[in-house]
Amino acid sequence: RKEVEQDPGPFNVPEGATVAFNCTYSNSASQSFFWYRQDCRKEPKLLMSVYSSGNEDGRFTAQLNRASQYISLLIRDSKLSDSATYLCVGGPDYKLSFGAGTTVTVRA
Amino acid sequence: DAGVIQSPRHEVTEMGQEVTLRCKPISGHNSLFWYRQTMMRGLELLIYFNNNVPIDDSGMPEDRFSAKMPNASFSTLKIQPSEPRDSAVYFCASSLGVASAQHFGDGTRLSIL
Repeated sequence: RKEVEQDPGPFNVPEGATVAFNCTYSNSASQSFFWYRQDCRKEPKLLMSVYSSGNEDGRFTAQLNRASQYISLLIRDSKLSDSATYLCVGGPDYKLSFGAGTTVTVRA
Repeated sequence: DAGVIQSPRHEVTEMGQEVTLRCKPISGHNSLFWYRQTMMRGLELLIYFNNNVPIDDSGMPEDRFSAKMPNASFSTLKIQPSEPRDSAVYFCASSLGVASAQHFGDGTRLSIL
């Protein structure tokens, strides 16, 4: 079983819509969580950290559910520029694992 | 601020040749990671170092791959001999600690003919 699993999508949404997706992790000792975004043929870039109480950065909201062992990312008021692959990252303090990514396509 | 610097950006070589990829982490970062990404397998962790010491190399596919970190500001990933199936994008990333957010270099696009 993979350490971190994501729905690959794609999630096709119209501009202005809200899109949300989850990522599950298998190691209950996981303490650190992040969301990255990766554009085609580019390096992954840190989007935001995920804190226990949940956190928001502009149109992006991340949540952590320890009981069910998943984290989520919600994007409000989607922009065309939000089209990308979103990678979930999580793990214990000795090793982080990347998910395979969820592809989001925002259409005009 | 300078980010993670990788070289070369692109490498095309014939199978059997030795390939050396280079990485300069962000100054002050204690952890360094080497990843490989392909369409089929996604992002795979090959090896990571903490304070210049290899901690986990379980992702290194076989003995043809080796990595070194002689000092805090430089690491290499070497493939010898190279094979066509090694063609991929190789990323180096660094972080303040093993469980901290990682910052990636631009990657090396490797093609083995």
